[in-house]
Amino acid sequence: DAGVTQSPTHLIKTRGQQVTLRCSPKSGHDTVSWYQQALGQGPQFIFQYYEEEERQRGNFPDRFSGHQFPNYSSELNVNALLLGDSALYLCASSSRLAGGYEQYFGPGTRLTVT
Amino acid sequence: AQRVTQPEKLLSVFKGAPVELKCNYSYSGSPELFWYVQYSRQRLQLLLRHISRESIKGFTADLNKGETSFHLKKPFAQEEDSAMYYCALSRQARDDKIIFGKGTRLHILP
Repeated sequence: DAGVTQSPTHLIKTRGQQVTLRCSPKSGHDTVSWYQQALGQGPQFIFQYYEEEERQRGNFPDRFSGHQFPNYSSELNVNALLLGDSALYLCASSSRLAGGYEQYFGPGTRLTVT
Repeated sequence: AQRVTQPEKLLSVFKGAPVELKCNYSYSGSPELFWYVQYSRQRLQLLLRHISRESIKGFTADLNKGETSFHLKKPFAQEEDSAMYYCALSRQARDDKIIFGKGTRLHILP
C-alpha cells in the first residue's frame, strides 16, 4: 500500500488561473480532508469529504471547492488564483469505520502562484 | 476560539539532554490532543495522542486541563529526534478537522 498519494508534486500557475489537485486515499479509507500549509505555518483545514459530500469546511472562500469520487479519491479545485494561495496542499485520509481518529497524510502538492 | 500555540519556533538541545516541546491550547470543551511529527523529506505523521496514553519513540505528553497544556517530553534526546513537531487538537469526534499549531523545529546537537 503506497499510502496517501497526491498529484502533481509541484505546480506553477499564474494569478487568475484555476488549478486542480488530486488525492488518492490510503487503501481502506473512506474520508478525505484537505489542508493548506503556508510557509512557516502549520496546516490549516480547508474541507473534508465523506460519501461524496462535503462534511466540514474551514475558513476558506468559495474559490476553494472539492469533489470526492465513488472510489474515495478526491480533488481540490481553486479558482481565480491569488498570490496568497501559494502553499503546500496536503491531503489526509481516514476511516470512519475504524474510528477515524488517525489521519494519514500525503506528501503534498507544492503550488506556486506567480 | 479554537487555537493551538507553540511558543518556540526552534529548540536546540544536546544529544542525551531532556527535551520539552511546549504546547498550549484554547478550546471550549474537551478536545482530543495530538502531536504530529515531520522528519526531513518525509510526510507528516501522527506521533501520539493523549487518549492512548502511549510512549512513542520515548516521547510522552500529558494533558493538563487546568493549564490547557499538552507538552511533549523525552528524557534523553537522540539525533534522530531532529524534526518538525506540530501540536494539534480536534473535537472528540470521529474524523473531525484537526487544528494545528505553527510547529517547533527540534534540532538535536551532537
